[in-house]
Amino acid sequence: DGGITQSPKYLFRKEGQNVTLSCEQNLNHDAMYWYRQDPGQGLRLIYYSQIVNDFQKGDIAEGYSVSREKKESFPLTVTSAQKNPTAFYLCASSGTGGSGANVLTFGAGSRLTVL
Amino acid sequence: GENVEQHPSTLSVQEGDSAVIKCTYSDSASNYFPWYKQELGKGPQLIIDIRSNVGEKKDQRIAVTLNKTAKHFSLHITETQPEDSAVYFCAASFTNSNSGYALNFGKGTSLLVTP
Repeated sequence: DGGITQSPKYLFRKEGQNVTLSCEQNLNHDAMYWYRQDPGQGLRLIYYSQIVNDFQKGDIAEGYSVSREKKESFPLTVTSAQKNPTAFYLCASSGTGGSGANVLTFGAGSRLTVL
Repeated sequence: GENVEQHPSTLSVQEGDSAVIKCTYSDSASNYFPWYKQELGKGPQLIIDIRSNVGEKKDQRIAVTLNKTAKHFSLHITETQPEDSAVYFCAASFTNSNSGYALNFGKGTSLLVTP
């Protein structure tokens, strides 16, 4: 089945540590996205990538980094510079042309807790 | 950037009644308006969407209406069932290969359908 796989589902981190969240898709989508979800805050865009080896900052990119070396993969690193990293992180992908553009398919999410 | 407001934040209805969730957006260039349903601990799932060349779209018990002049759109769920209980998000976006395909989300509506 085609879809998006995020791992790990739950992750605990000590303050000062970097952590990388994995996102893999087999939908042959060109675009991929990372959103952060906090209670009552909706989904806020961290980074997005429309094509391999290219990505852009979203609304809340500070303290995060990404890479897009392969079409299928878009890992997110939460660095120690992120002041409030505890949240639910969602990865998504979409096409970039025609009726597929903007139609986001989401993964099941990764819940990060900083101890 | 685009600002999407969503109301109400919580909604409780009895099984069989209708539910209406409303959203407004700020960017008149936006031309794509999806609705997502998120169940507890899962990623959001697209349930219906509308593009700016139509005013209404229906899929069984779910319908979305769009008023571009007033810059608002609404989700209507008829004959609600307990399995409709979830958090619903509206979003808006401008389909443009230069600006990307990311969605701007409202803060969500927690819908509870009681038997």
